[in-house]
Order: sequence, then C-alpha cells, then structure tokens
Amino acid sequence: KQEVTQIPAALSVPEGENLVLNCSFTDSAIYNLQWFRQDPGKGLTSLLLIQSSQREQTSGRLNASLDKSSGRSTLYIAASQPGDSATYLCAVISGGSYIPTFGRGTSLIVHP
Amino acid sequence: GAVVSQHPSWVICKSGTSVKIECRSLDFQATTMFWYRQFPKQSLMLMATSNEGSKATYEQGVEKDKFLINHASLTLSTLTVTSAHPEDSSFYICSARALSTEAFFGQGTRLTVV
Repeated sequence: KQEVTQIPAALSVPEGENLVLNCSFTDSAIYNLQWFRQDPGKGLTSLLLIQSSQREQTSGRLNASLDKSSGRSTLYIAASQPGDSATYLCAVISGGSYIPTFGRGTSLIVHP
Repeated sequence: GAVVSQHPSWVICKSGTSVKIECRSLDFQATTMFWYRQFPKQSLMLMATSNEGSKATYEQGVEKDKFLINHASLTLSTLTVTSAHPEDSSFYICSARALSTEAFFGQGTRLTVV
C-alpha cells in the first residue's frame, strides 16, 4: 500500500526566503505526482503535476522535481511571500489503482 | 484544467438528519470519482471509490450504510451522510478523473452536525 510522507510538517519563515518542501513515497510504481495548496477551510488548488516520465515542472516561482527511483519529490518555492502561507499537500497516483494518496502536508507560514 | 464542482460548500444540519453532497464534473466525463474526508490538521483520507454505474468500493473502516455513494452518471456523484452525528462533522472533498490519470478536485464541503 502506497504511503506518502511530507517533511517538514510545519515551517515558519521570513518573507523572501527560498524554501524546499519534501515528499517521499514508498512505492515507486507511480503514474504521476501532484502538489496542491490548501488554504484554511478551503479546498485544494492544484499547483504542479509531474508525470512519471518527467523530472520536473515549473510554474512561476514554483518548481517541483521528481526522482521516481528514490521515491522522492521536492517543491521549491523561490522568494517566498506572505501570500504563500498555506498547507501544501503532495499526492501520488499509484500504478494500477489510479487512486491519489496524500501526505499529511506541510503547513507554511511566511511572515512579513 | 478540468473543473469539478462540489455543492454545497458548507452545510449545518441537526443530529439525526441526512445530508447530500454533490460532485459534478463540468467539462469532462468522470469514469471514476473519489470521496475523501479530512479531519483538522490531518491529511485527506480516502473513503470510497466509485465507478459510473457500479457500486462504490469503500475503504476499510468506512461505514457504507452511513456514507451512501451514488455515481449514476458520468458527470455526477453524490455522497449522502445518513443519520448524521456530531462526529461526522468534517471536511469532505470529491475528486474525479476521466480516462487520463490526472485527478481533479472539488472545493470541498464543510459539514457541521449540531
């Protein structure tokens, strides 16, 4: 059964810092991996989707990498801003079942 | 990206009543839909997977008689929380996917049972 772990669980940084959020998964037979943002009391906003054949995806200040063989993905946030404060979730879609499995998330606070 | 609409976004109901949550894929045919439950400061826990026209497959520990899932068409799935109790209060999120493996998510429903 796929297990997804996100480190750190929480992060508080001053504005302007570059950040790295980590996601690891136990079964490397994945089809893709998605990073989401969730604001308090809200639903999910998809940030980046990486197909299993890809190594990375970029969108604005966000860059996500994928190392399938080692079961890891990182989300890099450049020049963090207070508006980036949210919980970031990693979801892995496993081969065969196609069921998204989520990590517990990283709660990020960027203070001015 | 494709749009998944979930309704209502929040609902308050009295203990013992039933509540229905709808999940619609607006611009694609969703062959599979997933329902998740999220407890405060916890991750999304898969409750069940439903394929259009078939009975839902529930995860271990999820009461199928309490959480009724119907996926009668390729664009609509419903989750009915029957005889709701305060412990059913939670954030429920649906997800839909077509033939591709990318899943699209609704905005979630905040259920409060008083």
